[in-house]
Amino acid sequence: ETGVTQSPTHLIKTRGQQVTLRCSSQSGHNTVSWYQQALGQGPQFIFQYYREEENGRGNFPPRFSGLQFPNYSSELNVNALELDDSALYLCASSWGASTGELFFGEGSRLTVL
Amino acid sequence: GENVEQHPSTLSVQEGDSAVIKCTYSDSASNYFPWYKQELGKRPQLIIDIRSNVGEKKDQRIAVTLNKTAKHFSLHITETQPEDSAVYFCAASKAGNTPLVFGKGTRLSVIA
Repeated sequence: ETGVTQSPTHLIKTRGQQVTLRCSSQSGHNTVSWYQQALGQGPQFIFQYYREEENGRGNFPPRFSGLQFPNYSSELNVNALELDDSALYLCASSWGASTGELFFGEGSRLTVL
Repeated sequence: GENVEQHPSTLSVQEGDSAVIKCTYSDSASNYFPWYKQELGKRPQLIIDIRSNVGEKKDQRIAVTLNKTAKHFSLHITETQPEDSAVYFCAASKAGNTPLVFGKGTRLSVIA
């Protein structure tokens, strides 16, 4: 059984650029949730994908978008990067869209200069 | 929407002592309350969870209690060890397609 993997692990971008972060869900899981974790804060929900459809969204602007593929892997895209987008982006997979344990990846640390 | 408050933000205990972290939630419809541990540079990992149909759950040195009337739940770690040092997050969610809402975390330091 493979766990949740994310790439890249670290990246540096400048304001206004675009970034794509990738996540492979744990085998057997069909739901992926993305969270933003600013330094010293708890994870904040961005959105969830269940069976390739967006299945809930947190308080993030439309420049945060995502995709889920038929193999349940997922991408998070952020356009027009701002300094405040600097954070650890965590992907978590689970079975089904209902409440239950989330299995997190190690995260992608994004720095915006 | 749901709001989760967590206290304290930092906690230092001597090895062997107990540690207690408390969380309050705002939405009375929330019914799932997990606790995650995040070691430095690592992913958050579930250590224990409780659903609203029970008031307490134990797993070896770790226990969680839930008071639905007061809308608060607590994590208790007994006989703390240095490897318990980490950031602990509480979270809450409702049934169905609702996301986990996390507290801001408690940094626990166990001093040998």
